[in-house]
Amino acid sequence: SAVISQKPSRDICQRGTSLTIQCQVDSQVTMMFWYRQQPGQSLTLIATANQGSEATYESGFVIDKFPISRPNLTFSTLTVSNMSPEDSSIYLCSVEGGDRSYEQYFGPGTRLTVT
Amino acid sequence: AQKVTQAQTEISVVEKEDVTLDCVYETRDTTYYLFWYKQPPSGELVFLIRRNSFDEQNEISGRYSWNFQKSTSSFNFTITASQVVDSAVYFCALGGTSYDKVIFGPGTSLSVIP
Repeated sequence: SAVISQKPSRDICQRGTSLTIQCQVDSQVTMMFWYRQQPGQSLTLIATANQGSEATYESGFVIDKFPISRPNLTFSTLTVSNMSPEDSSIYLCSVEGGDRSYEQYFGPGTRLTVT
Repeated sequence: AQKVTQAQTEISVVEKEDVTLDCVYETRDTTYYLFWYKQPPSGELVFLIRRNSFDEQNEISGRYSWNFQKSTSSFNFTITASQVVDSAVYFCALGGTSYDKVIFGPGTSLSVIP
């Protein structure tokens, strides 16, 4: 299994500002995923981040709003830009099982509130 | 298109009762993966099980069991002798052949009353 940490664990931000969320994994992984979970809702995939290439965004999500970096095989960041109250959600980082077991592990999440 | 349906939004049971959470999926892939995750009130996602499309054997792990039926595109989850600690939101999810993403169902909120 993979151990994933995220920073910050929670934050309260003002409308119009940006927040960068960090995701650190204790082992090297090829693919990292960023999900959003709006209040009371299920998880929605924002993008897939492979090291050394541009992130692949799902329908409804754009790079200008959610820029992602993936500088190495154990780290990624997601930025939520120009925030509005609608961005208030839990943002989760996820990785596949390192042994190609197709298990998927999730970080503890970052709880974002935009006022 | 891939889709996961969990028709039960909320379920409430009394402790020690058995409860089954339903999951129906849609996919055109012949190879795929199905998952169940638990999200307790603390918010973290806990991986419970993964099953690939070629393995229809039912699985039992302690009080948990899963029934996978390709004929009905269902992957149901049963908790036997439920406990208060089982109270959580449970998500069924579907992964594609290239394993590039996992699609989550809307979740079922389970409350176990003492």
